[in-house]
Amino acid sequence: DGGITQSPKYLFRKEGQNVTLSCEQNLNHDAMYWYRQDPGQGLRLIYYSQIVNDFQKGDIAEGYSVSREKKESFPLTVTSAQKNPTAFYLCASSIGNRVTGELFFGEGSRLTVL
Amino acid sequence: SQQGEEDPQALSIQEGENATMNCSYKTSINNLQWYRQNSGRGLVHLILIRSNEREKHSGRLRVTLDTSKKSSSLLITASRAADTASYFCATAGNQFYFGTGTSLTVIP
Repeated sequence: DGGITQSPKYLFRKEGQNVTLSCEQNLNHDAMYWYRQDPGQGLRLIYYSQIVNDFQKGDIAEGYSVSREKKESFPLTVTSAQKNPTAFYLCASSIGNRVTGELFFGEGSRLTVL
Repeated sequence: SQQGEEDPQALSIQEGENATMNCSYKTSINNLQWYRQNSGRGLVHLILIRSNEREKHSGRLRVTLDTSKKSSSLLITASRAADTASYFCATAGNQFYFGTGTSLTVIP
């Protein structure tokens, strides 16, 4: 089945630790995105990539880092510099590198800082 | 913020009734999309309406778009308990920007 796979589904982190969230897609989509969702709020864009080896900051990139070494993979690292990382993280992809079509989402990763 | 705003924030209706949600946005758009999210899950695309369209239908869904007022509405007719979810509008301009969502509860 084609789709987007995020892992892990649940992740716990101690303060001061970096953690990496995995996002893999087999849809052959060019563009991939990371969003953060907090209770009662919409999705906020962290980073996006429209092509391999290139990515851009979204609205809330501080404390996060990404890489796009392969078309199918777009991992997100939540660094210790992110002061309030507890949230639900959603990865998405879309066909092409222009904002014209729909987004396909993974099932999300819930990060909790202990 | 470039996020849109949905109205109402929460809506509770009886099964069989219609549900209407509204979305207002701030930027110019290529299209506007509606997504559904079940609790703790990812978002699922429902319908896309282009900036030069005024109304679109898909099954029990009806979407309208008024670019002069920068607003859209989603109507779900003959609601079912399985429609219980959060619904988000997303505007596609230079990037995708999501609204704050409407939480819909359909009571059997």
